[in-house]
Amino acid sequence: DAKTTQPPSMDCAEGRAANLPCNHSTISGNEYVYWYRQIHSQGPQYIIHGLKNNETNEMASLIITEDRKSSTLILPHATLRDTAVYYCIVRVFPYNQGGKLIFGQGTELSVKP
Amino acid sequence: GAGVSQSPSNKVTEKGKDVELRCDPISGHTALYWYRQSLGQGLEFLIYFQGNSAPDKSGLPSDRFSAERTGGSVSTLTIQRTQQEDSAVYLCASSKGGAGGYTFGSGTRLTVV
Repeated sequence: DAKTTQPPSMDCAEGRAANLPCNHSTISGNEYVYWYRQIHSQGPQYIIHGLKNNETNEMASLIITEDRKSSTLILPHATLRDTAVYYCIVRVFPYNQGGKLIFGQGTELSVKP
Repeated sequence: GAGVSQSPSNKVTEKGKDVELRCDPISGHTALYWYRQSLGQGLEFLIYFQGNSAPDKSGLPSDRFSAERTGGSVSTLTIQRTQQEDSAVYLCASSKGGAGGYTFGSGTRLTVV
């Protein structure tokens, strides 16, 4: 699986958009990009995933560059409860098979009042 | 149930004792994963089940660790002759398989004294 690179930490002001970058320059054509977050003392929480196209759900937006070598997770209006470690992961999922996700060190996002 | 349930939530055991950790996945989720997270560390993959079979056991750290899944549902992670370095939060996750995200449980915090 392709390796990802994320900044170790970021700050964001409450109410502003949080833009979390991820580099995955060795990604292959059938690998998906996943984002999870882990709030202190809780299990990780799935946020969003995508293959080529930009994706949006109730939690966040995922912007994937045209060459797929990097992506950005956008939390449009960050709140204090969004303070967490955010993980960017790339993984191939053959049809009808699960397969493991490998978590790196992630980005520790601190949302400040 | 609505989420992934793990029990016990906390377990303190003496060095050398065996422990069993239980995971109840979301009903209908065919894929089940075990991870562990030591204090201040990232998530470490242990084992993956598809149905009752375990096609990927590559993360089990030693032969003291084993896991089984019965009826395509409940899974048990067993650690024999526990050591202090086994102290960690053990997390279980399940998914429908395919490219969807995982749902994690809240974990079992294991302390070996």
